[in-house]
Amino acid sequence: GENVEQHPSTLSVQEGDSAVIKCTYSDSASNYFPWYKQELGKRPQLIIDIRSNVGEKKDQRIAVTLNKTAKHFSLHITETQPEDSAVYFCAAITMNTGFQKLVFGTGTRLLVSP
Amino acid sequence: KAGVTQTPRYLIKTRGQQVTLSCSPISGHRSVSWYQQTPGQGLQFLFEYFSETQRNKGNFPGRFSGRQFSNSRSEMNVSTLELGDSALYLCASSLKDTQYFGPGTRLTVL
Repeated sequence: GENVEQHPSTLSVQEGDSAVIKCTYSDSASNYFPWYKQELGKRPQLIIDIRSNVGEKKDQRIAVTLNKTAKHFSLHITETQPEDSAVYFCAAITMNTGFQKLVFGTGTRLLVSP
Repeated sequence: KAGVTQTPRYLIKTRGQQVTLSCSPISGHRSVSWYQQTPGQGLQFLFEYFSETQRNKGNFPGRFSGRQFSNSRSEMNVSTLELGDSALYLCASSLKDTQYFGPGTRLTVL
């Protein structure tokens, strides 16, 4: 089955710096890779996603890159702000068999200091 | 559209009891998935329902079960509660591949 590894588990940056979170997946059939942000006491919120036919996607200060050959994908946050502080989860989903199973990474706690 | 809703938001139960959690998906979404979130194990997939059928199941014991109704609302049930079942239970609904989460039900087992 699918396995997703996520690094680092904790990331501390200064406001204005960039943050990069990396994930690797095991199932080469995985074709959809969402990223979720979860603030303390709140639900995971989708912030960006990428499909396997795309190598990079950007939305303002957030970008995701996908390397299918190496089976890894990364989240890039530029010009970080204190409100970016949260736990970020990557995930991989297999769709080929018609059903969805979202497998999550273990999460990265991002702390942005003013 | 209204988002995914879950009831109740908080529950306190004792060992051996059973509990039923409810999830109402976004209107038009037919797929509902359930996850258990704990500090030690992260987000773990429980099961997914589509059109009242369980399509996929995670690695949880048979004490964990679920169902989906014709209006796509879903319930999950945990019987013979154990201390280790204390967790945040999240449901997510989807139209295609993107999943949208509800606020969760925090279950505490004493």
